[in-house]
Amino acid sequence: DQQVKQNSPSLSVQEGRISILNCDYTNSMFDYFLWYKKYPAEGPTFLISISSIKDKNEDGRFTVFLNKSAKHLSLHIVPSQPGDSAVYFCAAQPTQGGSEKLVFGKGTKLTVNP
Amino acid sequence: EPEVTQTPSHQVTQMGQEVILRCVPISNHLYFYWYRQILGQKVEFLVSFYNNEISEKSEIFDDQFSVERPDGSNFTLKIRSTKLEDSAMYFCASSEAAFRAFFGQGTRLTVV
Repeated sequence: DQQVKQNSPSLSVQEGRISILNCDYTNSMFDYFLWYKKYPAEGPTFLISISSIKDKNEDGRFTVFLNKSAKHLSLHIVPSQPGDSAVYFCAAQPTQGGSEKLVFGKGTKLTVNP
Repeated sequence: EPEVTQTPSHQVTQMGQEVILRCVPISNHLYFYWYRQILGQKVEFLVSFYNNEISEKSEIFDDQFSVERPDGSNFTLKIRSTKLEDSAMYFCASSEAAFRAFFGQGTRLTVV
């Protein structure tokens, strides 16, 4: 039951270029979306989030775009830096339903090459 | 910057033994969670805890699991009788409101 899908297990980009990580979801009840970054042997680190009432949220080099009709969100990192190399998880939450539970995708491993 | 801390970082236990995983959430947070990640799989929700009681739990969180907030700072996950399939990274998380959870570094549980 893959309610949150990250179809690309890995992505490799050159330093300075844009990284685009994609995420699709199936549950219409999801109304809050988050991106987490995870280094090996560490816990997920919160990066950026977006509520379903918005279609874009920006924080420094990170921008998240939400297309509700397509049930699709993406994380843009620009410019990409070698320190951005990590596994990126998309997560979704049905806050209107009163749930605190995050549903995670499988993650995309980003490698930024110097 | 405040962070969620978990102990131990790695726990090895015999099958059938009880284990307690410990967490100190961020001090002003009100919501507490446990998640786990089996090697190669997704991060999965186990349980959320608010106002001194379980507010939500997944089907994974069966009678073998329990959570407790024994004092004002700690939050624990107990697995009563561990099975091989309980081997995973267990992440504690906390949040000020019911969203935007902050995660600890995890406890790697290995059941042998």
